[in-house]
Amino acid sequence: DIVLTQSPDSLAVSLGERATINCKSSQSILYSPNNKNSLSWFQQKPGQPPKLLIYWASTRESGVPDRFSGSGSGTDFTLTITSLQPEDAAVYYCQQYYDIGTFGQGTKLEIK
Amino acid sequence: QVQLQMSGPGLVKPSETLSLMCTVSGGSISGYYWSWVRQPPGKGLEWLGYIYFSGTTLYNPSFESRVTMSVDTSKNQLSLNLNSVSAADTAVYYCAKGQSDTYWRFDSWGQGTLVTVSS
Repeated sequence: DIVLTQSPDSLAVSLGERATINCKSSQSILYSPNNKNSLSWFQQKPGQPPKLLIYWASTRESGVPDRFSGSGSGTDFTLTITSLQPEDAAVYYCQQYYDIGTFGQGTKLEIK
Repeated sequence: QVQLQMSGPGLVKPSETLSLMCTVSGGSISGYYWSWVRQPPGKGLEWLGYIYFSGTTLYNPSFESRVTMSVDTSKNQLSLNLNSVSAADTAVYYCAKGQSDTYWRFDSWGQGTLVTVSS
């Protein structure tokens, strides 16, 4: 099974600053037919279902603010949130869909 | 955007079967992938599997021996059965809508239902 490991487990970043969350896969999740990486990023707030932010590692879902961006390839991926807003406080998960859909353990983001 | 309304018992006894339903409104089940995802209290997300509107399924191997997903297109309903449950199956369960060509691009979710396994 593919294991996703996120780092850090939690972080606190000041309002207006940049937050970076990493996701490392135990094996490459590059999907050869389209040369894209099979990775999504989700945001989950308390009491709510997850919300898809990014797919194919760097494609922003419709309606997601452009201060959310994804990058990386192969086994190492990053979610970057610039100009942090109070509403960005949440738990963020990466998910791979190269194999059966496993999630990372989550990263809790607090806004200072 | 479609609405997904989940229903089912919130308490199930150990060794019994957990059964949940997800009713889709504002759109059709047909043409899409539908997944079930769960989240133990205070923990991360687990994808249980998907069912295509045609009835084709793909289950997470971790649950394959215990899980059954079904679809009733005439009622616009999805069902999840998980048998031989234990306390480890206590979780918030979600149904989620995928796309016509990708199961993982979830654009709508049920509200989530907490199922507690306890005698």
